[in-house]
Amino acid sequence: DQQVKQNSPSLSVQEGRISILNCDYTNSMFDYFLWYKKYPAEGPTFLISISSIKDKNEDGRFTVFLNKSAKHLSLHIVPSQPGDSAVYFCAARNAGNMLTFGGGTRLMVKP
Amino acid sequence: GAGVSQSPSNKVTEKGKDVELRCDPISGHTALYWYRQSLGQGLEFLIYFQGNSAPDKSGLPSDRFSAERTGGSVSTLTIQRTQQEDSAVYLCASSLRRQGHGYTFGSGTRLTVV
Repeated sequence: DQQVKQNSPSLSVQEGRISILNCDYTNSMFDYFLWYKKYPAEGPTFLISISSIKDKNEDGRFTVFLNKSAKHLSLHIVPSQPGDSAVYFCAARNAGNMLTFGGGTRLMVKP
Repeated sequence: GAGVSQSPSNKVTEKGKDVELRCDPISGHTALYWYRQSLGQGLEFLIYFQGNSAPDKSGLPSDRFSAERTGGSVSTLTIQRTQQEDSAVYLCASSLRRQGHGYTFGSGTRLTVV
């Protein structure tokens, strides 16, 4: 049973608009949530994270929102740029520092 | 080096052969992880090393898979009698014991079993 799910395998947005990537989880014991970005032929790179005691974390064009009651988090990118085109993985951390990853969402930002 | 280094970057092998994949973590990182990403799939956990503790092998898909970490540093993932379904990108990551921004990944080894 997948503990972290990204239900949208792909998302296409126009340059300058907002990209919203969603992630759902089932384990209420996760204490930290992270987003990773992956370009082809490269390893995933850390993008932004949020503690389970927060509901929002912002870093430049990237904002992560956490809704604990719904066990849902989202990543907002605004404004979206063509260089943001990549696969985005949501991850959740348990107390043992293990990360469980979602299946990824491929974001395509069209010029 | 400054990052996590994996070798080889690409490996093509014949079905039934054994392969070894190498990971050099960031110096000082006590935790080391192996994941794999099959075509169109997410990141699948394989094995986790933390310091001198016994590794968490719960993600290894079969007994053909094994991994070692020597001297708390370099790790080798071995796949015996490779099958076509083993074809994937094998990713290694390392981290400090508890680190808010998670892991640092290597660029991966793309394994193709023909």
